[in-house]
Amino acid sequence: LAKTTQPISMDSYEGQEVNITCSHNNIATNDYITWYQQFPSQGPRFIIQGYKTKVTNEVASLFIPADRKSSTLSLPRVSLSDTAVYYCLVGVDGGFKTIFGAGTRLFVKA
Amino acid sequence: NAGVTQTPKFRVLKTGQSMTLLCAQDMNHEYMYWYRQDPGMGLRLIHYSVGEGTTAKGEVPDGYNVSRLKKQNFLLGLESAAPSQTSVYFCAVNEGVGTEAFFGQGTRLTVV
Repeated sequence: LAKTTQPISMDSYEGQEVNITCSHNNIATNDYITWYQQFPSQGPRFIIQGYKTKVTNEVASLFIPADRKSSTLSLPRVSLSDTAVYYCLVGVDGGFKTIFGAGTRLFVKA
Repeated sequence: NAGVTQTPKFRVLKTGQSMTLLCAQDMNHEYMYWYRQDPGMGLRLIHYSVGEGTTAKGEVPDGYNVSRLKKQNFLLGLESAAPSQTSVYFCAVNEGVGTEAFFGQGTRLTVV
């Protein structure tokens, strides 16, 4: 099974760009890479998904190198409300058997 | 998420009791999942379903059973609850391979 490795925690200040890198050495050819955000006492919420190169939406960018063994979530100009746990997800067994790792706890300071 | 509803939201069980958690969706998605999340930990997949009438084991299936008799509902059962099953349980749904998953608000279960 594909396994992901992320930093346990990160600190940042308001207005800074935050980059969270996830390693997934065993990613399969058909796997997608997805990032979720979770606030306390809530279910995870989708942020962004990609397969290769770069994907950008209104809240984040996702950078995936050619070998796809890692990916980087980029959050531009974070605010206090971005304090949350961020999960890197790699689809296994066709993508529907979703496996979550421990996540990265991001703390944004004023 | 408005499209995924979990019932109940909170429950306290005594060791050995049984209960069923209900996940209901109005999004018409094929795939449904049950996860558990222990304090300070990530989510672990218990069971999942790729369509009505189908179920499969996830990462931590022991002590749980599931059923998907109707497309919109995915039931998670605990036949004989144990303190180790104290956790927050999340249901999720998605359309299939490589698509966004939508989560319910969770069920906080305490087994004493």
